[in-house]
Amino acid sequence: DAGVTQSPTHLIKTRGQQVTLRCSPKSGHDTVSWYQQALGQGPQFIFQYYEEEERQRGNFPDRFSGHQFPNYSSELNVNALLLGDSALYLCASSSQTSAQYFGPGTRLLVL
Amino acid sequence: GEDVEQSLFLSVREGDSSVINCTYTDSSSTYLYWYKQEPGAGLQLLTYIFSNMDMKQDQRLTVLLNKKDKHLSLRIADTQTGDSAIYFCAVRSDYKLSFGAGTTVTVRA
Repeated sequence: DAGVTQSPTHLIKTRGQQVTLRCSPKSGHDTVSWYQQALGQGPQFIFQYYEEEERQRGNFPDRFSGHQFPNYSSELNVNALLLGDSALYLCASSSQTSAQYFGPGTRLLVL
Repeated sequence: GEDVEQSLFLSVREGDSSVINCTYTDSSSTYLYWYKQEPGAGLQLLTYIFSNMDMKQDQRLTVLLNKKDKHLSLRIADTQTGDSAIYFCAVRSDYKLSFGAGTTVTVRA
């Protein structure tokens, strides 16, 4: 049983560009949450998707948007990249009765 | 927002017990979690406790919850070199998890 998978593993972009990160949830999970982890800090909640809708959002600007597909996979889009967006982006999947299980993350570097 | 605080570093001798502490502010938290992160990796779920429990034991791991003081701890018995990592406390409120900054545990021989 594959766990949570994320792609790509690493990404380098320049300021002002746009990026799309992808996540496939663990088998049996229908909910996907996204977190940003800056270097030396704990993860910060961006948003959660359930039934293809954004169910809850953290304190992130509208430049951060997402999508969930009918197969429960999800994308995180970040527009107009800033240097401060450089971080590890973590996807977590869960079901209505389970804890959140995390993927390996996508490391984004903005130059 | 929710505040979750942890001490930043812990050094422990191999074979001893480790105790990692966490305090939080949100009294409506439902579940409380401990995650482990090794260098360059994602977060591994270690254990969790429901807010109406005060203790949970899972092999070498013991979680204690003092809901009155909003204090959570993780005890690792017989700490091994493979336990060296960053440990995060997380509290759930609604659907989101709020994390502490992490405790770096170093196991010395």
